[in-house]
Amino acid sequence: AQTVTQSQPEMSVQEAETVTLSCTYDTSESDYYLFWYKQPPSRQMILVIRQEAYKQQNATENRFSVNFQKAAKSFSLKISDSQLGDAAMYFCAFSWARTGANSKLTFGKGITLSVRP
Amino acid sequence: GAVVSQHPSRVICKSGTSVKIECRSLDFQATTMFWYRQFPKQSLMLMATSNEGSKATYEQGVEKDKFLINHASLTLSTLTVTSAHPEDSSFYICSASPDSSIASSYGYTFGSGTRLTVV
Repeated sequence: AQTVTQSQPEMSVQEAETVTLSCTYDTSESDYYLFWYKQPPSRQMILVIRQEAYKQQNATENRFSVNFQKAAKSFSLKISDSQLGDAAMYFCAFSWARTGANSKLTFGKGITLSVRP
Repeated sequence: GAVVSQHPSRVICKSGTSVKIECRSLDFQATTMFWYRQFPKQSLMLMATSNEGSKATYEQGVEKDKFLINHASLTLSTLTVTSAHPEDSSFYICSASPDSSIASSYGYTFGSGTRLTVV
């Protein structure tokens, strides 16, 4: 079974600065997907970014980018030019590249990010 | 974009009663939906996988008779908490993917969640 580890429970960043959230995972599969989700105080889960394991190029979405190291099974999220609205809980998640029930997400424990004005 | 609607957003029920939570995919069909439970400041715990037209698949440790799941159509899945007790109080979230071929490739859309309080 796959596991997702987020070892940092909390992090803080100054507004406009850059912060990196760490995530490692463990799987014996070679084809899978990785995600970062944001959960603000409203508790609505929002997809921030996703990465296909077969792609070597790191995914980017505006101020958000990932550092995907497949051999090391590491998937960190970098938030550039941090904004107050980035304050939330962030979850790293893993999914096999399969259909139906076998495509379920496995989440890490999450990290609470606070942004200092 | 893909939208998942979840209702109600909040519900308070008396101990011993049952409560139903609905999860609808508004602009896509979802053969598979997922139900999660989340405690404050904790991660999402997968409870069960809802399959359209067939029985749900429950995760280990989740009581099938307490958490009844029905996926009657390609756009609706329901979670019924039966004989609710205070320990069932939690935040319940559903999710689905608009991509039925390889569901995980597109990503998942989540409902806004239901805060259940059993008194």
